[in-house]
Amino acid sequence: SQQGEEDPQALSIQEGENATMNCSYKTSINNLQWYRQNSGRGLVHLILIRSNEREKHSGRLRVTLDTSKKSSSLLITASRAADTASYFCATDPPNRDDKIIFGKGTRLHILP
Amino acid sequence: GAVVSQHPSRVICKSGTSVKIECRSLDFQATTMFWYRQFPKQSLMLMATSNEGSKATYEQGVEKDKFLINHASLTLSTLTVTSAHPEDSSFYICSAQSRAGYTFGSGTRLTVV
Repeated sequence: SQQGEEDPQALSIQEGENATMNCSYKTSINNLQWYRQNSGRGLVHLILIRSNEREKHSGRLRVTLDTSKKSSSLLITASRAADTASYFCATDPPNRDDKIIFGKGTRLHILP
Repeated sequence: GAVVSQHPSRVICKSGTSVKIECRSLDFQATTMFWYRQFPKQSLMLMATSNEGSKATYEQGVEKDKFLINHASLTLSTLTVTSAHPEDSSFYICSAQSRAGYTFGSGTRLTVV
């Protein structure tokens, strides 16, 4: 079964605006990761945040983690057309033998 | 960085035939690889965990006789879809864990006609 659930499921914004995607999960985790997938392609790892971290930055990406609410957010600032893709959160819960479980994803579309 | 190569990227096969998909870790050894399936506009669903030198571990609801996994070396895992049917048409992605984290192959688009 799915562990994570992203919202919104789909998001369209103008180029230059910020995009925020949220992820909620059900069980405890070791860490949470965000991935990007361009249409029909494999996944690209964006950022990993550990369960004892609250915020992490990487370039135009900002990820937050609230373990008390079992939620995470991914913020992409100053969006570009190339950011159009699906974004997934993935968690690796304890006792899952290193398996990571993906959320349903958010399809982001950047309008020119 | 860690690279996972997956082949073929696309394959079309006739109903009833078998298709083999390869997943290779190019610059690291992977004792464990993972196989996912993804339907259009949906998330990745873990199918099985491939363990080098031992039997794969399948997730609930995945037919092990239908999706044969072989992990004969530390750099290669294969997924064979046996007696493929149109409902097996999907996007299959493998993944391996290295010191850099999880690395994914570029995926295989399988179409069964």
